[in-house]
Amino acid sequence: AQSVTQLGSHVSVSEGALVLLRCNYSSSVPPYLFWYVQYPNQGLQLLLKYTTGATLVKGINGFEAEFKKSETSFHLTKPSAHMSDAAEYFCAVSDAGANNLFFGTGTRLTVIP
Amino acid sequence: DGGITQSPKYLFRKEGQNVTLSCEQNLNHDAMYWYRQDPGQGLRLIYYSQIVNDFQKGDIAEGYSVSREKKESFPLTVTSAQKNPTAFYLCASSPQGPGELFFGEGSRLTVL
Repeated sequence: AQSVTQLGSHVSVSEGALVLLRCNYSSSVPPYLFWYVQYPNQGLQLLLKYTTGATLVKGINGFEAEFKKSETSFHLTKPSAHMSDAAEYFCAVSDAGANNLFFGTGTRLTVIP
Repeated sequence: DGGITQSPKYLFRKEGQNVTLSCEQNLNHDAMYWYRQDPGQGLRLIYYSQIVNDFQKGDIAEGYSVSREKKESFPLTVTSAQKNPTAFYLCASSPQGPGELFFGEGSRLTVL
């Protein structure tokens, strides 16, 4: 069975500070991993994804994530937070044989000016 | 331009009424999904369809029904049997499951 745990339902950072959103997954087979962002009353938008190959994945808006198999983690980072990064972020896991994605419960990011 | 259109964006209904949420995509994707989002619970899968005229239940299908008569359309009916229907509903599609999902803007249903 697959599952995702996002540590911290709310994270606050100052503008210009490092953003770190944590995601740990459980999967019995090599996973596909995703980060999505959601702005209020909107759908989800893909930030980045890992399927195979390089474990450090770069996405849109300056975000990146690293797949660490030994730690079963896929944490999302951004070196310098911007006010426009304030949103809710969802980590998701799947695999080649699955029919859908399993989502974490989300982390709401607040950026303090 | 291509995308997923959900309607209505906001919907109010009285208890005991059925309501149908529309989802249309022009991305030529085979797979379509319906998720329910509640605060603090993430997204939970209601139904999905990988091909026309076929669909499967997700984790929380009770009280919901769907149809997939056309590749572009995957409407969701929230029936009176759904005990707690107030939520934000998201429709998504993908070229072939389970890779990247493309989401609509969502429909917020409130039961009065």
